[in-house]
Amino acid sequence: DAKTTQPPSMDCAEGRAANLPCNHSTISGNEYVYWYRQIHSQGPQYIIHGLKNNETNEMASLIITEDRKSSTLILPHATLRDTAVYYCIVRPNNDMRFGAGTRLTVKP
Amino acid sequence: EPEVTQTPSHQVTQMGQEVILRCVPISNHLYFYWYRQILGQKVEFLVSFYNNEISEKSEIFDDQFSVERPDGSNFTLKIRSTKLEDSAMYFCASSDAGKGAADTQYFGPGTRLTVL
Repeated sequence: DAKTTQPPSMDCAEGRAANLPCNHSTISGNEYVYWYRQIHSQGPQYIIHGLKNNETNEMASLIITEDRKSSTLILPHATLRDTAVYYCIVRPNNDMRFGAGTRLTVKP
Repeated sequence: EPEVTQTPSHQVTQMGQEVILRCVPISNHLYFYWYRQILGQKVEFLVSFYNNEISEKSEIFDDQFSVERPDGSNFTLKIRSTKLEDSAMYFCASSDAGKGAADTQYFGPGTRLTVL
């Protein structure tokens, strides 16, 4: 099972940054942190991943603490279309174990 | 942008019938996966497949399930004798490099299976 803890829900105002936290206190050295999101019942959409360093791409930024026990996904300017369930997943190998995620609601 | 496709989008079947769910992974990808999501529940890993054989499977993936890559483009999930509890969204995913945890999986849109 996923070894992560996320708040069940969060709200964010449209145009503001959405900061989604994830605790993974039992992460080991070779495990990556992945973020996916799922809009309604669509297939999970890859957002970003990292091992130790902070990462940024066109969708989001991933901030991983120095001890790697927690991370934060940042959507810099949330839009209504970013309303979704966001999953933080710690992966030791090929298969991915999804948790319940955080339901982010972006409000006008 | 390349994407994983799945057909059909919705499949309705009678209990006890066999169903085959089809997926076309991204063309240069070598690793293939099936996941399922029962309505209102988590996305659950079923099986991973590489080099024409299963590399990992979960406890859900019992003898009623099988996977196959019948040609160079398709990847299928067969449920031999469907049960009511098999009703779920089934997602196919693929990845390219097989770098284990460093390998990003890309998901298809899913097939909604309804067993009556």
